[in-house]
Amino acid sequence: DVQLVESGGGLVQPGGSLRLSCAASGFTFSSDWMSWVRQAPGKGLEWLASIHPDGTEKLYVDSVKGRFTISRDNAKNSLYLQVNSLRVEDTAVFYCLREARNVPTSDWGQGTRVTVSS
Amino acid sequence: DVVMTQSPLSLPVTLGQPASISCRSSQSLVHSDGNTYLNWLQQRPGQSPRRLIYKVSNRDSGVPDRFSGSGSGTDFTLEISRVEAEDVGIYYCMQERHWPWTFGQGTKVEIK
Repeated sequence: DVQLVESGGGLVQPGGSLRLSCAASGFTFSSDWMSWVRQAPGKGLEWLASIHPDGTEKLYVDSVKGRFTISRDNAKNSLYLQVNSLRVEDTAVFYCLREARNVPTSDWGQGTRVTVSS
Repeated sequence: DVVMTQSPLSLPVTLGQPASISCRSSQSLVHSDGNTYLNWLQQRPGQSPRRLIYKVSNRDSGVPDRFSGSGSGTDFTLEISRVEAEDVGIYYCMQERHWPWTFGQGTKVEIK
């Protein structure tokens, strides 16, 4: 079974940083695009960033460009999101996901909660 | 960015009755490869989202056949043929044609 397990969330002050991790299992991690999506409390979904299977191509939504960095370690079957210069409005549950737009492949993790507050 | 607009935002339904959610995109979702990249996702209370439908009308693995998707260009519909209790939750449309991928506001489906 496919498993995506996020970790690294927590309470951080404005301006702070966190490194979110996603441990993947049950599929060939190095073959798939991976992404991060977030959901603010009581709000909808926002696609943040995606990374090519070999890590050479990275895409970001404008609202996080320059502050968030997506990366992966295929040897460790792990996806990461470095989140810097955090703002109160970054408070959200961050989901790791694997998804292919042309085939029935879509898996989401359970999410890790990031709270930005002084 | 492409704006995805869903209606209604709240949908009370009777068990066993059909339900329908509409989604409109601000730009065409037709790709030069011939595909239309419009997905539907379900988020049950307290759970992570789950994709139900990809490329307008293709069901993901394990999705019951009471869920169906249709539409073209900029107008799309998710239909549930007979609503069951486990279908309660929020449904999102989502486009993967123009980066950044964007979601609709969500439609809350609840039982009357």
